Amino acid sequence: GQNIDQPTEMTATEGAIVQINCTYQTSGFNGLFWYQQHAGEAPTFLSYNVLDGLEEKGRFSSFLSRSKGYSYLLLKELQMKDSASYLCAALDSNYQLIWGAGTKLIIKP
Amino acid sequence: DTGVSQDPRHKITKRGQNVTFRCDPISEHNRLYWYRQTLGQGPEFLTYFQNEAQLEKSRLLSDRFSAERPKGSFSTLEIQRTEQGDSAMYLCASSSGLAGAILNEQFFGPGTRLTVL
Repeated sequence: GQNIDQPTEMTATEGAIVQINCTYQTSGFNGLFWYQQHAGEAPTFLSYNVLDGLEEKGRFSSFLSRSKGYSYLLLKELQMKDSASYLCAALDSNYQLIWGAGTKLIIKP
Repeated sequence: DTGVSQDPRHKITKRGQNVTFRCDPISEHNRLYWYRQTLGQGPEFLTYFQNEAQLEKSRLLSDRFSAERPKGSFSTLEIQRTEQGDSAMYLCASSSGLAGAILNEQFFGPGTRLTVL
């Protein structure tokens, strides 16, 4: 079956760094997306990885290891506005997104 | 603004009533998706269209749910004989659907929050 696993909740301190992990099992693989979702709002795109390695975009970076079925999202210099759910989603062989349940990130001052 | 729009944003209905939601995707996007999301969960796939063709429908979707995209532009999602378990956020997303996986980034609308009393 197809499955995405990520932690349910994480807590971090303002100004710190946090890493949110995601493991996936899909029928075929065409890339890994990370989305951010604030409470009551729709998901918004953060990053996309299809090749192994690290993609950096400002304070956010995303890493992929295809052989391990593993990705992480790294958030640096955390701000209070980063409090949100972070959704990991894998694109399968039919170009369908398989979604994780999301990781709720709580930022404390 | 040329993003994905959904109407209505909120809908409260009584159990047993029918409801219909509308989604207007980004104009040049060929693919249109419907998802359902409950609190603390990721989006749950319902169905998707490539232009006007409905290519896939979740096996979890009962026959009370139907979706259309008659002209390959906007789409409607109808729920008949609503049940309290249908209460959720219904999200619509669109993507270009062209070759090249990054172009399959899905852009989401604001969602329609359904409450069934």
